[in-house]
Amino acid sequence: KQEVTQIPAALSVPEGENLVLNCSFTDSAIYNLQWFRQDPGKGLTSLLLIQSSQREQTSGRLNASLDKSSGRSTLYIAASQPGDSATYLCAVKGRGTGNQFYFGTGTSLTVIP
Amino acid sequence: KAGVTQTPRYLIKTRGQQVTLSCSPISGHRSVSWYQQTPGQGLQFLFEYFSETQRNKGNFPGRFSGRQFSNSRSEMNVSTLELGDSALYLCASSLPRVSGEETQYFGPGTRLLVL
Repeated sequence: KQEVTQIPAALSVPEGENLVLNCSFTDSAIYNLQWFRQDPGKGLTSLLLIQSSQREQTSGRLNASLDKSSGRSTLYIAASQPGDSATYLCAVKGRGTGNQFYFGTGTSLTVIP
Repeated sequence: KAGVTQTPRYLIKTRGQQVTLSCSPISGHRSVSWYQQTPGQGLQFLFEYFSETQRNKGNFPGRFSGRQFSNSRSEMNVSTLELGDSALYLCASSLPRVSGEETQYFGPGTRLLVL
């Protein structure tokens, strides 16, 4: 069974700092990996989707990388802002698992003004 | 394009009751998945429906069931509610491609509290 781990569980940084969130998974046979953001009590907002054949994806201040062979992904956030404060979740879609995504437990990010 | 909608947004029930949650996917999306989110277990996959058929199922007891209608709307039912069923229930829709490389779009969730 796919296991997804996110480190750190919580992170607090001053505004303007660049930061990296980590995600690791145990089974490299994946279709894709998706990063989500979740605000308290709300649903998930998709940030970036990386296909298994891709190495990275960028959207604005966000950059996500994927190293399938080592089972790792990172989400890089440049010039962090207080509005970036949220929980960030990574999810992988394994081959042969239908449309099921396996989620990590998330990193709770606080950006201090 | 309207996003994924879930109703109701909040629900309070007592132990032993049953509950039905509804999810309307993005127009054109035929796959609907359900997830349970709790502080202790995180996000866990319940089941997925595609073209009115359950295609995949997570490791939950039979008290959790679902269905999908011809217009792709989906309902999830939980019978004989237990305190541990208190959670945020999230629905996600996607437009499955042959390659399986699709994005899932999530609704705002239904927060269920069992007393």
